[in-house]
Amino acid sequence: QKEVEQNSGPLSVPEGAIASLNCTYSDRGSQSFFWYRQYSGKSPELIMSIYSNGDKEDGRFTAQLNKASQYVSLLIRDSQPSDSATYLCAVNPANQAGTALIFGKGTTLSVSS
Amino acid sequence: DADVTQTPRNRITKTGKRIMLECSQTKGHDRMYWYRQDPGLGLRLIYYSFDVKDINKGEISDGYSVSRQAQAKFSLSLESAIPNQTALYFCATSGPQGEQPQHFGDGTRLSIL
Repeated sequence: QKEVEQNSGPLSVPEGAIASLNCTYSDRGSQSFFWYRQYSGKSPELIMSIYSNGDKEDGRFTAQLNKASQYVSLLIRDSQPSDSATYLCAVNPANQAGTALIFGKGTTLSVSS
Repeated sequence: DADVTQTPRNRITKTGKRIMLECSQTKGHDRMYWYRQDPGLGLRLIYYSFDVKDINKGEISDGYSVSRQAQAKFSLSLESAIPNQTALYFCATSGPQGEQPQHFGDGTRLSIL
């Protein structure tokens, strides 16, 4: 059973701080990794994709991937109250062109002003 | 207009009724998915389809059926609704390559009394 694990949280950070969200996955050969943001009652919104080891930055967001450790993270710099949401990690299983993404259950982030 | 449109957005119905949730997309994607989301359980895959002639069961397909009427349309049916099918339902699409992310519709909030 391929799995994606995230701490459910809530992760609480003050405004302006760095929020660090973590995700581990069980399928060592996974190649594609995604972070989604979901506000309560709304649909998941893609915020980052990462395919190679290392860091990928987009504005205040940085995704980090370490395939050897089977670990992907999302850093949010200068956190704002509007970043308060649930963040879902999703992984595409290795060599599985005929399957869907596997989603973690999400980490709830709360940014206090 | 939204790229992935779900109808209805909200539905309240009674136990035993047949219900159809519809999804249409203008993204030109071949792959379409149906998920349900319950508090604390994350996104759970019901069915997915990689082209018009391809239908696959997800992890929780019992009690549900689907129809892929065209590349752009994918419908989910509950033949005889029961209260534990009360949930938030999402349709998603993705491109032809397995490494591409999924894009979600706005969801259907379904309540079964």
